[in-house]
Amino acid sequence: GAVVSQHPSRVICKSGTSVKIECRSLDFQATTMFWYRQFPKQSLMLMATSNEGSKATYEQGVEKDKFLINHASLTLSTLTVTSAHPEDSSFYICSANRDISYEQYFGPGTRLTVT
Amino acid sequence: AQTVTQSQPEMSVQEAETVTLSCTYDTSESNYYLFWYKQPPSRQMILVIRQEAYKQQNATENRFSVNFQKAAKSFSLKISDSQLGDTAMYFCAFQFTGNQFYFGTGTSLTVIP
Repeated sequence: GAVVSQHPSRVICKSGTSVKIECRSLDFQATTMFWYRQFPKQSLMLMATSNEGSKATYEQGVEKDKFLINHASLTLSTLTVTSAHPEDSSFYICSANRDISYEQYFGPGTRLTVT
Repeated sequence: AQTVTQSQPEMSVQEAETVTLSCTYDTSESNYYLFWYKQPPSRQMILVIRQEAYKQQNATENRFSVNFQKAAKSFSLKISDSQLGDTAMYFCAFQFTGNQFYFGTGTSLTVIP
């Protein structure tokens, strides 16, 4: 149990376009989901905390208008990178909290390449 | 502010030997959780072991154990009988109420056959 999926696993898009990444908790309800960004050989940097039915909380320095997060249901959160630029190329990872549990379950990540 | 420090960017160990990865953290919280995650080349984050701060007993999971020193704010990971599949990045993480994780910078571990 406690599986988190992400789709797509890899995406290539042209500069100036938008791309959406989905994060789903497959067998549990996630009241809170988190979005991380990871550059090569670096740690995970928290971008935002997403709560079902409310606005996401963004970390300092993360542009909320560029990285749109929607948590429409207890099993789905989406991250939309708007007007993508090459510097947005990175590995994006989501995680989800199981209700009444402190443990986070991580998705397999999405590699975004902006050309 | 919460910070997590991993002072060993890279480490290597011979297969079947034991290796210890270091982690220190800084917090004013009294109730929190500590984790070690493994990230192999697939990039999937895998939970290795976790420790509740209120528990004095060190957590153990098969070949993995921790040395949790709350007063010193230290949380090291010991891997016994290292295997080739242990080759990965290892991240120490801290979490308190609110569920937000704070990750260390990671230690790249290579197990040498």
